Formats: sequence, structure tokens, C-alpha cells
Amino acid sequence: AAGVIQSPRHLIKEKRETATLKCYPIPRHDTVYWYQQGPGQDPQFLISFYEKMQSDKGSIPDRFSAQQFSDYHSELNMSSLELGDSALYFCASSLAETQYFGPGTRLLVL
Amino acid sequence: DQQVKQNSPSLSVQEGRISILNCDYTNSMFDYFLWYKKYPAEGPTFLISISSIKDKNEDGRFTVFLNKSAKHLSLHIVPSQPGDSAVYFCAASESGENTPLVFGKGTRLSVIA
Repeated sequence: AAGVIQSPRHLIKEKRETATLKCYPIPRHDTVYWYQQGPGQDPQFLISFYEKMQSDKGSIPDRFSAQQFSDYHSELNMSSLELGDSALYFCASSLAETQYFGPGTRLLVL
Repeated sequence: DQQVKQNSPSLSVQEGRISILNCDYTNSMFDYFLWYKKYPAEGPTFLISISSIKDKNEDGRFTVFLNKSAKHLSLHIVPSQPGDSAVYFCAASESGENTPLVFGKGTRLSVIA
């Protein structure tokens, strides 16, 4: 069965640079979620989109923005990167209550 | 303020025995609960879920029990297998679809052969 696809899987950036993470949901899933998991932490909700409209907003910094496109894929744009942004970034998609997660993008900010 | 709590950071169980992972929550608006299994460098894998209108849901070796009055749920794995060794996250969401998940900090399960 098709799963959630995330790219890139690994990313290394310098402080103050920008990064774009991509997420391709499971086909026919209409909702996409972004989560951030710091080292040794639980995943924290950042933002979600339902039918291409922002649905919920969590602890997403103002330096980050996201959108969902007409083909339902989503991109998380991160600017002015800080050392503390180093984390695993997960995308999940759903059609109903259950969210299915992608493999994550590991971002390292040096 | 941690709304979903997994108070045991780790658990060791012998192969073939029962593994019981516990989870408590504080937000009375939560009405859908999920368990995810996570291996290092991979995303969380959905295991099993339960709605607040039920008190038990079973899927093969996995059973989730919900005690709504105590705001407590548990995941039972019987029999435990070495391949079950992973970090297990409890997650909860408020009513309705498309709502974000709130996670516990996870319990690392080690199944010893």
C-alpha cells in the first residue's frame, strides 16, 4: 500500500539559511499534518491543512510557513534557521481520524 | 503541561509474555486515542486506536483498553515478540476528524528472547 512520502530524508543547513521540506500524502487523503520531534522528545504538532486550507496551527514559529497544493502535497518552508530547529520533521496524512506518518526528514542546522 | 503522559520511559519483557504499556491523559475533550510504534530513523507506525465510546479494541496480538473515568488507557501485547522492541507512543485527539494529535513521551519496550 502507498505510504506518505517525504523528501528530502536528510538535510544539513547553516544558521540563517532556508529549507523546504516536501510531503506527499497517501492517495485520496485530504488532510496533511506537520510535526516536529526534537531529540528525546515527543512529536509536537506544527500545522495542518484540510482540502488545501489551513486547518489547525500549533507551535509553529513565525519563521516557518506551509501550504498544501492542488495535488494535495504540502511543503514546509523554514527561514532564518536556528540551531534549535535541528529535529526530525514528520508529515502525516489522514482521510478520517487515523493519521499515517511518513518516514520523516532529519534536519541538522550547523 | 503534558496532556498525555506515559510515566514509564522503558519496559523489559520476556518473549512470549504479556507487555502492558500505560498512558494517562488530562484533557477531558480527548475522545480518540491511538498507539504508534516507532523504530529509530523511521516515522511512527499506526498500531491500533480506540474511540471514547468503546472501552476495548482488539487487533490480533494488540488490545487497547480505555478507562474514561480514570482518563487512562493501556496497550496489551500478547504474546510479546522480539520484533515488538521499539518505542511506543500514546496519542490523543479531540473530537472530529482533521484534529492534531497530542503525543506522550513514549515508552521504550525491549522484548528479550
